[in-house]
Amino acid sequence: EAAVTQSPRNKVTVTGGNVTLSCRQTNSHNYMYWYRQDTGHGLRLIHYSYGAGNLQIGDVPDGYKATRTTQEDFFLLLELASPSQTSLYFCASSEPPQGWPEVFFGKGTRLTVV
Amino acid sequence: GQQVQQSPASLVLQEGENAELQCNFSSTATRLQWFYQHPGGRLVSLFYNPSGTKHTGRLTSTTVTNERRSSLHISSSQTTDSGTYFCAIEPNAYKVIFGKGTHLHVLP
Repeated sequence: EAAVTQSPRNKVTVTGGNVTLSCRQTNSHNYMYWYRQDTGHGLRLIHYSYGAGNLQIGDVPDGYKATRTTQEDFFLLLELASPSQTSLYFCASSEPPQGWPEVFFGKGTRLTVV
Repeated sequence: GQQVQQSPASLVLQEGENAELQCNFSSTATRLQWFYQHPGGRLVSLFYNPSGTKHTGRLTSTTVTNERRSSLHISSSQTTDSGTYFCAIEPNAYKVIFGKGTHLHVLP
């Protein structure tokens, strides 16, 4: 069964803290994405990747780094967390379509920066 | 940058009523999808519909690519349809861009 697993599901950190959000997919997809979801903004793309070692900048990349270590694993790094990064973060994986494009989302990570 | 506009922002219906959700996008999108977010947060794909009309159950999606718009019609709404509906496009390089969503609340 297609799956995207995010960890942790909830995280509280202090301003200036260092946070790593993890995402693993077992879909054999090449593309992976990190989004943040905030009220009034919908889902906004932070970073994405089309394979191990690849990283593409999304629409709201400031304050975030990402690393794709394997086809399965995509990490989002906040090295100096700020309260403005309090949000719900989603990871997704996707495969370019030959027919129906598959996009699967994880269950989300709720991050609070105090 | 690429833009995806959804309307209405929110919608309240009585159970049994129909809903029409709109999506307008700023480019000739190569791929358009509709997603549903459960009230608990889980996101799932509803339709991949780059052009034309597609049906599944009580849902119908119609995309008119050269007019840069798509609609999602929900017939005979049920309380379990409550949640947020997102339109998303992939204008290039598999960069998936979402609209802000339509929050639907169906009353019993």
